[in-house]
Amino acid sequence: GQQVMQIPQYQHVQEGEDFTTYCNSSTTLSNIQWYKQRPGGHPVFLIQLVKSGEVKKQKRLTFQFGEAKKNSSLHITATQTTDVGTYFCAENPDNNAGNMLTFGGGTRLMVKP
Amino acid sequence: DGGITQSPKYLFRKEGQNVTLSCEQNLNHDAMYWYRQDPGQGLRLIYYSQIVNDFQKGDIAEGYSVSREKKESFPLTVTSAQKNPTAFYLCASSLTDNTEAFFGQGTRLTVV
Repeated sequence: GQQVMQIPQYQHVQEGEDFTTYCNSSTTLSNIQWYKQRPGGHPVFLIQLVKSGEVKKQKRLTFQFGEAKKNSSLHITATQTTDVGTYFCAENPDNNAGNMLTFGGGTRLMVKP
Repeated sequence: DGGITQSPKYLFRKEGQNVTLSCEQNLNHDAMYWYRQDPGQGLRLIYYSQIVNDFQKGDIAEGYSVSREKKESFPLTVTSAQKNPTAFYLCASSLTDNTEAFFGQGTRLTVV
C-alpha cells in the first residue's frame, strides 16, 4: 500500500512552546487532509490542502502543502493544554484510483501545563 | 441531526465467532470507509466504498468482509479468520472523492 510517513511519533512540549508535525508521501498527492483525535475520541477534520505550496491558517495552527505535493506540515504556535491529542495527515493519491483515503501514523502531542 | 452512527460502542465476542459492526450515515455521502486502530497507533484502511454495490479492499482486508447494499449503510463483518480482531474500529463517510471525512464514534471490539 501507500507509504504515509508522519514524524515525530510523539512530542512532549511545555505549554506555550511551539509544535510541528510533518507528513511525507512517496507519491504525488491530489490533496492532503489533517485530522485531530482527542484521547478516547474519534478523528475530527481540521483542513484540506489542494494547491502546490498552499498555506492555510486557523488561529494558532498553520498548515503547509509542499511545492511538489508530496509533503505537508502542521505547526501550532504557543501550544495550550487543549491542543493535546493525536494529529493525523491523510492523503489522496493523484492516480485516479478513487478515494482511498490513507492515514499517516499520527503524531501524539502531550502538553505539560 | 445528520451524522454517522456506529453501534455498539463496546462489543465483546468469543474467539471463533463472526461479528458484524454497524455503520449508518444520513449525510447522503457516496463514499464510506472502515478503519482499524490499535492502541497508540494510526488508522489502517480495511475497506472502502465509493458507491452502492461497490467496494474495494484496503491495506488490511484479510479476515474482514463488507457489503454496501444501501447508500446509508456499510456494515463490517469481522470473521473468525481475522487472527487478532481486538481493536478500535472506526467508520467514516465523505461526500465524494477528495472531500473531508466524517467519523463515527467507533466500536471497541474485544475478542476473548
